[in-house]
Amino acid sequence: HLQLQESGPGLAQPSETLSLTCTVSGDSINSGHYYWGWIRQSPGKGLEWIGTISYSGSTYYNPSLSSRISISVDTSENPFSLRLSSVTAADTAVYYCAINTVLVKYYFDSWGQGTLVTVSS
Amino acid sequence: SYDLTQPPSVSVSPGQTASITCSGDRLGGKSVSWYQQKPGQSPILVIYEDTKRPSGIPERFSGSNSENTATLTVSGTQAMDEADFYCQAWDSGTVVFGGGTKLTVL
Repeated sequence: HLQLQESGPGLAQPSETLSLTCTVSGDSINSGHYYWGWIRQSPGKGLEWIGTISYSGSTYYNPSLSSRISISVDTSENPFSLRLSSVTAADTAVYYCAINTVLVKYYFDSWGQGTLVTVSS
Repeated sequence: SYDLTQPPSVSVSPGQTASITCSGDRLGGKSVSWYQQKPGQSPILVIYEDTKRPSGIPERFSGSNSENTATLTVSGTQAMDEADFYCQAWDSGTVVFGGGTKLTVL
């Protein structure tokens, strides 16, 4: 049974760069061969896709965020990372990592529990 | 950008059938997934590739997709099905989510 765990600072200062990581445990087969995604949800709002990266490093970014985001994955260590620069209060959200375990980029079949990031001075 | 439109809310009586729609331009030509999210929890996949159910998802959840509308159907709705539901599609290298529908079981 796969488990995804996001890690983040909890609180970020405006204009800073936010860094989040996600680790996957419980998988002895694929060894990181997934499509990895970051999705966020502002308080009381819907889901917003941030970006996706394949195990081979191909990236797909939300055009509205692409100038501020960088997504990377290290399949040997399996942390999956998101960097979001120049954060503002509008970036306050629960950030989820999610994966597709069958090498399909069209949907996410496992999600982490999410980590709340509040942007405030 | 590509948009997916869902009704904000759908109400259903216990035991009845609930239908949640998701509309988008030529959506029938895309692969649609559906996620269920209960308060305070992360989303879970309930339908993928228009009609397929992941292991562990009850048979009362079904999906369809044709022309401009995808539909999630919950048959014999139970109180435990009350949640927010989001459709999702892949378009031109991007993941797109619908705005979400709150399913209320009255």
